[in-house]
Amino acid sequence: EDQVTQSPEALRLQEGESSSLNCSYTVSGLRGLFWYRQDPGKGPEFLFTLYSAGEEKEKERLKATLTKKESFLHITAPKPEDSATYLCAVQANSGYALNFGKGTSLLVTP
Amino acid sequence: DAGVIQSPRHEVTEMGQEVTLRCKPISGHDYLFWYRQTMMRGLELLIYFNNNVPIDDSGMPEDRFSAKMPNASFSTLKIQPSEPRDSAVYFCASSSTADTQYFGPGTRLTVL
Repeated sequence: EDQVTQSPEALRLQEGESSSLNCSYTVSGLRGLFWYRQDPGKGPEFLFTLYSAGEEKEKERLKATLTKKESFLHITAPKPEDSATYLCAVQANSGYALNFGKGTSLLVTP
Repeated sequence: DAGVIQSPRHEVTEMGQEVTLRCKPISGHDYLFWYRQTMMRGLELLIYFNNNVPIDDSGMPEDRFSAKMPNASFSTLKIQPSEPRDSAVYFCASSSTADTQYFGPGTRLTVL
């Protein structure tokens, strides 16, 4: 059975303090790994898709990387507006469903 | 461009009542997904459609839940009868390629 585990569950950073979020996964044939951002009361907002080990994607202060067992979302010099829950999901070759982790709740304080 | 549209945004109902949630996908998207989010279980897929045809409904919890997609612009998720344990946020998502999925704002359902 596909599994996605995200850590830590919650993370508090000071503005400018860089850190990484982890997403460990097991899947029978990876089609893609997805990162989403979710603000309170809103739907998940797409950030990145990674398809193969070694791949990296960047967007502003965010950089996502992928290995055969895990993905990292690196946040460089975060700002308060980066505060949100970050969700990781995997999609198996067998279908198109996204299997989500529970998320990491990030709080960036000024 | 309009994103995925869901209605209502909030629904409060009493146990035993029928509930219908609605979704309008992004124009041109051939895939439509229904997810449910709870604190305990996170985001879970309920069912998805391709070209208006249900492809995988293995996540639908029981016979009380049903989903339809009568045309490319509209889908419904119905719960009859509703129970308190159905309280959750229900999201609709659409995709043109089935990998990147774009989510709507969700419907927060409370069953008393």
